[in-house]
Amino acid sequence: GNSVTQMEGPVTLSEEAFLTINCTYTATGYPSLFWYVQYPGEGLQLLLKATKADDKGSNKGFEATYRKETTSFHLEKGSVQVSDSAVYFCALRKNNAGNMLTFGGGTRLMVKP
Amino acid sequence: EAQVTQNPRYLITVTGKKLTVTCSQNMNHEYMSWYRQDPGLGLRQIYYSMNVEVTDKGDVPEGYKVSRKEKRNFPLILESPSPNQTSLYFCASRDAGNTQYFGPGTRLTVL
Repeated sequence: GNSVTQMEGPVTLSEEAFLTINCTYTATGYPSLFWYVQYPGEGLQLLLKATKADDKGSNKGFEATYRKETTSFHLEKGSVQVSDSAVYFCALRKNNAGNMLTFGGGTRLMVKP
Repeated sequence: EAQVTQNPRYLITVTGKKLTVTCSQNMNHEYMSWYRQDPGLGLRQIYYSMNVEVTDKGDVPEGYKVSRKEKRNFPLILESPSPNQTSLYFCASRDAGNTQYFGPGTRLTVL
């Protein structure tokens, strides 16, 4: 079956530090890959996505590259801000009729001033 | 404003007392789904609906029911809630470009 594995948190960084949150997946075929962000007390919001190998998704300074050879979709940001503090979820979606999203366990990021 | 709404946002109930969590979207999306979020497990899909009167089980459907009588509404029904259904629940709808929009969440506690 499909699965997504993320690094466990919390990840605590100082403002302007470099961020990497690792994500690897297991799936047959060519899934689409996503990063969602959940701010405190809110629902999930799509942060970025990539639909095929070597695609790079980017948004709000965050980037992730779809690496089929390593089945990875690591999230990066060059300089984090306090406002980036949130829980980040990696997810995949198989292109089938159900189109369900399979999520990783989430990684909490805390950015200190 | 395009949005997904859920009610109630918070609910504390007792074992065995039937409850319904409502979900509504105003974006005319055909696809809707329910997830539960538990620590360390991420979000797991409970049920989804491809369109009116078309529903199917997700990964963790046991103990839940859904209905889709209208396109905009997708209620989640717990006929006999149990403590292991204490969780944070999210409704979502999806547009034609396959982007999911999530509601604000419903925190349910079953005593």
